[in-house]
Amino acid sequence: GAGVSQSPRYKVAKRGQDVALRCDPISGHVSLFWYQQALGQGPEFLTYFQNEAQLDKSGLPSDRFFAERPEGSVSTLKIQRTQQEDSAVYLCASSLRGRDTQYFGPGTRLTVL
Amino acid sequence: DAKTTQPTSMDCAEGRAANLPCNHSTISGNEYVYWYRQIHSQGPQYIIHGLKNNETNEMASLIITEDRKSSTLILPHATLRDTAVYYCIVRVENTGGFKTIFGAGTRLFVKA
Repeated sequence: GAGVSQSPRYKVAKRGQDVALRCDPISGHVSLFWYQQALGQGPEFLTYFQNEAQLDKSGLPSDRFFAERPEGSVSTLKIQRTQQEDSAVYLCASSLRGRDTQYFGPGTRLTVL
Repeated sequence: DAKTTQPTSMDCAEGRAANLPCNHSTISGNEYVYWYRQIHSQGPQYIIHGLKNNETNEMASLIITEDRKSSTLILPHATLRDTAVYYCIVRVENTGGFKTIFGAGTRLFVKA
């Protein structure tokens, strides 16, 4: 079956631009997670949804980062006024329920110039 | 949060078993040990997980010590395609679900 998909795979933005990254979870998966992965580092947790409810956003690095999942399926991670330090791979994962195994998408590589 | 400690890198000869160790000395009784791997430019891939018993699936075996303070992931016959970063993770319960805390992982090089 289809796995987690993310788009775009690559995004180049000029400093100060807003970007939107999309995640399509596995069909039927209730839980959705966003992670940020800097070059050479392990992924770091950003935020977690159960259906449309954002239950944990403790990992979002600043108020420029905003995530939503309005219908409990597709999720969008938005970064406003991008900075160079936002350059990273943004990974999305989904699981059937919050406590189940997470399956990851291929990630979106964001480069801020 | 329980933390894990892994070697930075390891080498393994193709066809041999790769044994990747992980220390998680502060693990709590209800926390699972998960292993993921990440091949270059891809998202992390689930390998295996366990609580206290040894586990085996088509990809690997997981050996957890009796005191649960450490574990070993075993790839029985490593191939070149197993070259990747391997993450040992202890799941932390949080607000109705689990957030997964990754460390730096072990970079495994499988050599011909």
